[in-house]
Amino acid sequence: DADVTQTPRNRITKTGKRIMLECSQTKGHDRMYWYRQDPGLGLRLIYYSFDVKDINKGEISDGYSVSRQAQAKFSLSLESAIPNQTALYFCATSDRARGELFFGEGSRLTVL
Amino acid sequence: AQRVTQPEKLLSVFKGAPVELKCNYSYSGSPELFWYVQYSRQRLQLLLRHISRESIKGFTADLNKGETSFHLKKPFAQEEDSAMYYCALSGGAAGNKLTFGGGTRVLVKP
Repeated sequence: DADVTQTPRNRITKTGKRIMLECSQTKGHDRMYWYRQDPGLGLRLIYYSFDVKDINKGEISDGYSVSRQAQAKFSLSLESAIPNQTALYFCATSDRARGELFFGEGSRLTVL
Repeated sequence: AQRVTQPEKLLSVFKGAPVELKCNYSYSGSPELFWYVQYSRQRLQLLLRHISRESIKGFTADLNKGETSFHLKKPFAQEEDSAMYYCALSGGAAGNKLTFGGGTRVLVKP
């Protein structure tokens, strides 16, 4: 099931580097999300978008930015990566009706 | 603000034993509650939602508004139930935006 695809799956980078994580979906959903997963903290919402012209901050948006290039694409950027941004990042989509989130496989980012 | 608490980080049970994963929430309105599961090497996926009132893979969860809880239960755990489980809450005005708990890892021993 490759309906929500994240690239890259793994990335190691250095402090201060700019990093982009990309997400694309073929589910036709309007809504897309970026979450960060840390052990013991669960998933925390970074940014979400309910359509191409709608971008909203989540609970931990500092240090991150996003771009919704099209209905199917939602990118997450770290302008200047720092070590405490080392985490597993998930993209998810949903439609308005059911509300169920569909997740990508995750992008593991390590900042040295 | 909405918050979800899963007090147990790890639950270890024997096959055939009952398992209960606790979830407590705080939210001032009428929430929608969900359980998501992540099996080894698989994507995070929806297990069940309170409005469906259904049993999935033998699991059930009842929303108790008085105790602000949404505990997940299964009477007889199976080895294939070993996974990471997340309780999540959606507030009405926030649309589908979910707040997740910290997760509980379930290990079912043979």
